[in-house]
Amino acid sequence: DVKVTQSSRYLVKRTGEKVFLECVQDMDHENMFWYRQDPGLGLRLIYFSYDVKMKEKGDIPEGYSVSREKKERFSLILESASTNQTSMYLCASSLWPSAMAPLHFGNGTRLTVT
Amino acid sequence: ELKVEQNPLFLSMQEGKNYTIYCNYSTTSDRLYWYRQDPGKSLESLFVLLSNGAVKQEGRLMASLDTKARLNTLHITAAVHDLSATYFCAVERAWGGSEKLVFGKGTKLTVNP
Repeated sequence: DVKVTQSSRYLVKRTGEKVFLECVQDMDHENMFWYRQDPGLGLRLIYFSYDVKMKEKGDIPEGYSVSREKKERFSLILESASTNQTSMYLCASSLWPSAMAPLHFGNGTRLTVT
Repeated sequence: ELKVEQNPLFLSMQEGKNYTIYCNYSTTSDRLYWYRQDPGKSLESLFVLLSNGAVKQEGRLMASLDTKARLNTLHITAAVHDLSATYFCAVERAWGGSEKLVFGKGTKLTVNP
């Protein structure tokens, strides 16, 4: 079974702090993704990566950056956390190409910015 | 821009009844997905549909795809309480050689005894 592990289940940070969310997958997947999930808005793609050191912006990249130095690890960085970044963050991975290869999600990190 | 509209957003039904969740999308795609999310948990893949007319069934859930109508449906037969969850459809979008999913807002299903 694919395992996608997010380092923190709950996180509370202050406005202006730099925040790191870590995600590790153990199935040698090429693709990795960061989504945020908000009530009434569903899941929205922040960034994704299809290879080491490769990254592409998703639909809502503003205020975020990412890092992928190793194939198994994909980090989401909030450069200066703001209250509107309070959300549930979901990491996912998949094979490439992704035909017949659904996303495998981690358990999520619920981030609160105060 | 690909838009995915799912309805209803909330569904309360009695055990034993049938119902369908609809997922419309705005641009051509041949790959659609259904995910389930239990409260406080992450998303779990249910179905992957890859071609027009594709139908997949598991237990009381059946997913079908009509690419001409740009409609993806999830049919629930004789609902049981264990099916209570939020269901998301997702549509694959090609973007610069990589594929990404655009999700609907989810349907929160509550099955009452």
